[in-house]
Amino acid sequence: QKEVEQDPGPLSVPEGAIVSLNCTYSNSAFQYFMWYRQYSRKGPELLMYTYSSGNKEDGRFTAQVDKSSKYISLFIRDSQPSDSATYLCAMSETTDSWGKFQFGAGTQVVVTP
Amino acid sequence: KAGVTQTPRYLIKTRGQQVTLSCSPISGHRSVSWYQQTPGQGLQFLFEYFSETQRNKGNFPGRFSGRQFSNSRSEMNVSTLELGDSALYLCASSSRDSALEQFFGPGTRLTVL
Repeated sequence: QKEVEQDPGPLSVPEGAIVSLNCTYSNSAFQYFMWYRQYSRKGPELLMYTYSSGNKEDGRFTAQVDKSSKYISLFIRDSQPSDSATYLCAMSETTDSWGKFQFGAGTQVVVTP
Repeated sequence: KAGVTQTPRYLIKTRGQQVTLSCSPISGHRSVSWYQQTPGQGLQFLFEYFSETQRNKGNFPGRFSGRQFSNSRSEMNVSTLELGDSALYLCASSSRDSALEQFFGPGTRLTVL
């Protein structure tokens, strides 16, 4: 079983809908949780990261962490066709965890006009 | 500020050959990490360099090697290519002593025939 599980999708939603993405994990030592967006033929782009439990909002994006359930979520409000991409979650125990990041497989999101 | 650049963008090689990929980090960034991305395994960490020294290494065979130059540019080499080495190779740079805020390049798509 992988340390981080993420449904690969694809997840198809109409424009304007809320996109809900999530990852589950097994390592309770993870403290930092990140979400990346990857467009086709591009590298991943960091959207946001959170520390420990709680919510963080950045524009149309909201990240939630529930450490008790080992579950993290990313919500995209008022989705646009330009949000069509693959979204990857990543987790680490510390800020110097090069090599110890665990990435999810990524969820492909398609926002239809 | 220019982003992370990787060359070449696409590469086709045959089994047994070797390949060198290049990465130029964002100006001022001293940490460079390399990742392999495949549909089956997702993003997997290869190694990380900081000030010309390899600080961290992933679980890849010795056929995968890298180096970093004094200007922070980095190269990655794969010798004796195997079919399973076909992947997107991503380079990421970071300005701080933190693995959390990494900026990825567009990647080099390597196909091994």
